[in-house]
Amino acid sequence: QKEVEQNSGPLSVPEGAIASLNCTYSDRGSQSFFWYRQYSGKSPELIMSIYSNGDKEDGRFTAQLNKASQYVSLLIRDSQPSDSATYLCALEGGTGFQKLVFGTGTRLLVSP
Amino acid sequence: DADVTQTPRNRITKTGKRIMLECSQTKGHDRMYWYRQDPGLGLRLIYYSFDVKDINKGEISDGYSVSRQAQAKFSLSLESAIPNQTALYFCATSDFSGSPGELFFGEGSRLTVL
Repeated sequence: QKEVEQNSGPLSVPEGAIASLNCTYSDRGSQSFFWYRQYSGKSPELIMSIYSNGDKEDGRFTAQLNKASQYVSLLIRDSQPSDSATYLCALEGGTGFQKLVFGTGTRLLVSP
Repeated sequence: DADVTQTPRNRITKTGKRIMLECSQTKGHDRMYWYRQDPGLGLRLIYYSFDVKDINKGEISDGYSVSRQAQAKFSLSLESAIPNQTALYFCATSDFSGSPGELFFGEGSRLTVL
């Protein structure tokens, strides 16, 4: 089992809809969770971090964390074509230095 | 100008050649990392450094070496490149006072080994 699982997609949504991106993980000791956005041919960019159970909102983005069920989600409200990108879920896991473990990403396509 | 700069951005080389990828940053961060990204495998950590005198192996360090020449500079070397080292390489930094998960990435270096 991979440490971080994401559906590779593509997830296709129409402009204005809510995009829901999901991520499950295997390490129950994980404490910190992150969402990165990566446009094609570009580097990853941190868009959200979440450290405790519940929801965290930042503009059109909401991160949701459920440690009991070992999943973290990213909701994008009012999706725009400019949101089309690959979204990488990452978490701090392992022992000692809490290295960041990345999922393989979900590709999101927002159609006008 | 980018806060984290990688050179070269693209490189094509032959099997057995020595390659160096360089990274410099103006963010003033202590922590620097090298990742490689492959389709279907995601980002994997090669080496990381918390300060000039601290170098640590990541999950896929075999075939690679690094040098932290200064707080702002962190280089990755492939002593004898092989085709399965063809990948997109990213340098990243993070602030000591922040979470190690809050990374700032360079633009990437695409390496092709023939």
